[in-house]
Amino acid sequence: GAVVSQHPSWVICKSGTSVKIECRSLDFQATTMFWYRQFPKQSLMLMATSNEGSKATYEQGVEKDKFLINHASLTLSTLTVTSAHPEDSSFYICSANPTGRNIQYFGAGTRLSVL
Amino acid sequence: GENVEQHPSTLSVQEGDSAVIKCTYSDSASNYFPWYKQELGKRPQLIIDIRSNVGEKKDQRIAVTLNKTAKHFSLHITETQPEDSAVYFCAAPPSGKLIFGQGTTLQVKP
Repeated sequence: GAVVSQHPSWVICKSGTSVKIECRSLDFQATTMFWYRQFPKQSLMLMATSNEGSKATYEQGVEKDKFLINHASLTLSTLTVTSAHPEDSSFYICSANPTGRNIQYFGAGTRLSVL
Repeated sequence: GENVEQHPSTLSVQEGDSAVIKCTYSDSASNYFPWYKQELGKRPQLIIDIRSNVGEKKDQRIAVTLNKTAKHFSLHITETQPEDSAVYFCAAPPSGKLIFGQGTTLQVKP
């Protein structure tokens, strides 16, 4: 089956530092990947659509300069939380579509805690 | 844009009973409707999906029904078991991206 790997699974950082999260599709190519944020006991909120070889598309209210997305290859997208603050603490999850298919496969998520 | 409403937010049933979760969507162009199960701290797992060219799909104890005219779709779990306890999300994909419902916390009491 389709496997999406996400790293790290858990990260603690100091306020003001930047954190990079990687999302890899291990056995398929993904032209498009997605980044979600999930606060405790809430739903998954789409942050942005990551497009291989082009700029990411951000949802309304998501700061593109704070959440930098790079999709440099058909199997890797990265999300960098810049100048992280305690309010950025959340569960970040990526997903990927095998090219040409509707189904999204999710990474295991990254729990970010900003002190 | 697409708006997905999910009800109820919490659902408690006795083991062996059935559970039904309902979602409505707003974008008539949506043509694929997945349901995900998420256990605490883990990734969402696709449990069943349905495309707009069918009205019902069943996989063992799980079924999904779709009413395109009314723009709603439902998840049905029969003979519930304690391991069915989790948060369930519906979703609708305008233009390929998934917009999730608010989630339903299902508790199955032994």
